[in-house]
Amino acid sequence: ETGVTQSPTHLIKTRGQQVTLRCSSQSGHNTVSWYQQALGQGPQFIFQYYREEENGRGNFPPRFSGLQFPNYSSELNVNALELDDSALYLCASSSREWNSPLHFGNGTRLTVT
Amino acid sequence: DAKTTQPTSMDCAEGRAANLPCNHSTISGNEYVYWYRQIHSQGPQYIIHGLKNNETNEMASLIITEDRKSSTLILPHATLRDTAVYYCIGSPDTGTASKLTFGTGTRLQVTL
Repeated sequence: ETGVTQSPTHLIKTRGQQVTLRCSSQSGHNTVSWYQQALGQGPQFIFQYYREEENGRGNFPPRFSGLQFPNYSSELNVNALELDDSALYLCASSSREWNSPLHFGNGTRLTVT
Repeated sequence: DAKTTQPTSMDCAEGRAANLPCNHSTISGNEYVYWYRQIHSQGPQYIIHGLKNNETNEMASLIITEDRKSSTLILPHATLRDTAVYYCIGSPDTGTASKLTFGTGTRLQVTL
């Protein structure tokens, strides 16, 4: 089975710009979640998508938005980038089965200068 | 979600059992205990989860105390490749355990 893949692996942006990060789910998974991991910290939940709709959101402002496509792949968009947005962004997929664990990609390292 | 407390770091000799403790005294009756680990430069990897019974899989064993206020993850024969940050997480059984609240975890260093 194909695991979760994310692109790009690294990205450098300037404050105020917009960025789009992409994620392909593991085959057979229809739910996608995004996490932000600052250096030295654990991942923080941004939001989850199921059936192309947002289905749960963490404590992140509206400039963090997402999409899920019919093939269950997903995008994370961040507008008006701030220096504090510099982090590792992780995508995770899962099925809707009871207590299905998350399968994470290796993330996109975003640096905002 | 239950707040969990883990030691910041631990060392283990290669070939020995690594026992990683976790306190979750505020865990509610419907919250599972999940363990993930994160090897440097990779995304977190699911290890195991349990509710109240002890669990074992090909990677590890999970021992949960009877009062469910603490648990221990056991790696029976640690190898250098087990060096990672280990996260203990309490999460309600929602059917899709996607919204996980990670702490800072335990950094396990396996040495020769």
